Amino acid sequence: DAKTTQPPSMDCAEGRAANLPCNHSTISGNEYVYWYRQIHSQGPQYIIHGLKNNETNEMASLIITEDRKSSTLILPHATLRDTAVYYCIVRVVVYGGSQGNLIFGKGTKLSVKP
Amino acid sequence: DGGITQSPKYLFRKEGQNVTLSCEQNLNHDAMYWYRQDPGQGLRLIYYSQIVNDFQKGDIAEGYSVSREKKESFPLTVTSAQKNPTAFYLCASSNLRHTPNYGYTFGSGTRLTVV
Repeated sequence: DAKTTQPPSMDCAEGRAANLPCNHSTISGNEYVYWYRQIHSQGPQYIIHGLKNNETNEMASLIITEDRKSSTLILPHATLRDTAVYYCIVRVVVYGGSQGNLIFGKGTKLSVKP
Repeated sequence: DGGITQSPKYLFRKEGQNVTLSCEQNLNHDAMYWYRQDPGQGLRLIYYSQIVNDFQKGDIAEGYSVSREKKESFPLTVTSAQKNPTAFYLCASSNLRHTPNYGYTFGSGTRLTVV
């Protein structure tokens, strides 16, 4: 089973920030938080990942709480093309060692509306 | 451009026939994966391989088989033993040598329909 909990669906107005929450209360010290999204009938696309510090890239920002039990993906200015299912995944990563597989839950279906 | 290619995009087969889905990557990634996705559901891991000539079962391997004879290729065979093969199949690859990395790169998927 996936180790994360996400709301099944969210709506967002075009041009506004979309804030997608994720709960991962059982996360362990060597697990990173990854976010992917899947546009209908396509393969998932990597968005961002982080361990404990907040991260930002050209697509989104990732805010991880200090206790690492939850995180929020922020799309600062959502567009219609951001309509997709967003998956929050925790994954073991060990430097120079093994990596855990990505285990996908059902994700959050984000609908961006005009 | 480097990437991961799945073919065909759509595949129709009669019940009881084996069918092989192709997955090729030119990213020089060590690991490759096969996932299955049913409507409204998340992805479920079928098989994965971290090195040539070696592979491991995922959560739903029954009725499927794979091979990894080349680093670039990881074909999936859906056998007649798979009771409900109609689904969307996704292949992915990742580089295990540099961590943490960007995770997986996915193909565009093959939609298999068994009639």
